[in-house]
Amino acid sequence: NAGVTQTPKFQVLKTGQSMTLQCAQDMNHEYMSWYRQDPGMGLRLIHYSVGAGITDQGEVPNGYNVSRSTTEDFPLRLLSAAPSQTSVYFCASSYPLTGGNSPLHFGNGTRLTVT
Amino acid sequence: DAKTTQPPSMDCAEGRAANLPCNHSTISGNEYVYWYRQIHSQGPQYIIHGLKNNETNEMASLIITEDRKSSTLILPHATLRDTAVYYCIVRLPNTGNQFYFGTGTSLTVIP
Repeated sequence: NAGVTQTPKFQVLKTGQSMTLQCAQDMNHEYMSWYRQDPGMGLRLIHYSVGAGITDQGEVPNGYNVSRSTTEDFPLRLLSAAPSQTSVYFCASSYPLTGGNSPLHFGNGTRLTVT
Repeated sequence: DAKTTQPPSMDCAEGRAANLPCNHSTISGNEYVYWYRQIHSQGPQYIIHGLKNNETNEMASLIITEDRKSSTLILPHATLRDTAVYYCIVRLPNTGNQFYFGTGTSLTVIP
């Protein structure tokens, strides 16, 4: 298993540009989520999904959209990038959802800079 | 979810046990305690979790006090590769796996 794969690893955007951060997992996990991490801070939850076709907001959802059309993929979209979105983004997944105590598996992150 | 409090930083001599404390005084009866670590800027790595009983795996041991208001992660023989930020998280089961991370403890293992 490749685990959780995030692409790209690095990205530079200009203010106002749009882009999609990709996340894929090959573990048949029901649950997927996106976090951002800013310098000196912990991870903050952006959006999450408990299964295909179902998404919900986390702590810091503004400026981001998500969709979940398949179990494997959970892309994060920035429609109009802002410098405040400069951060490291992590995708995570977990299975099974029921049973209650499954740990999260993380990707290695996408480092985004918005100028 | 209950909040957690961890010291911002700790040092440990190589080969010695590293004991990382976490306070979670508002934990409820069915909230699990999880520990993750993050090395450099890699993705966080799961270490261990527990509910009431002490737990041990190949990476670490987790000691949870009887009143469950605090816990300690023990790395029995710290190596330089254990230098990382360690996060203690409490989470309700069946809540959509919403993990809320704080700022963690930065552990430095000293040669």
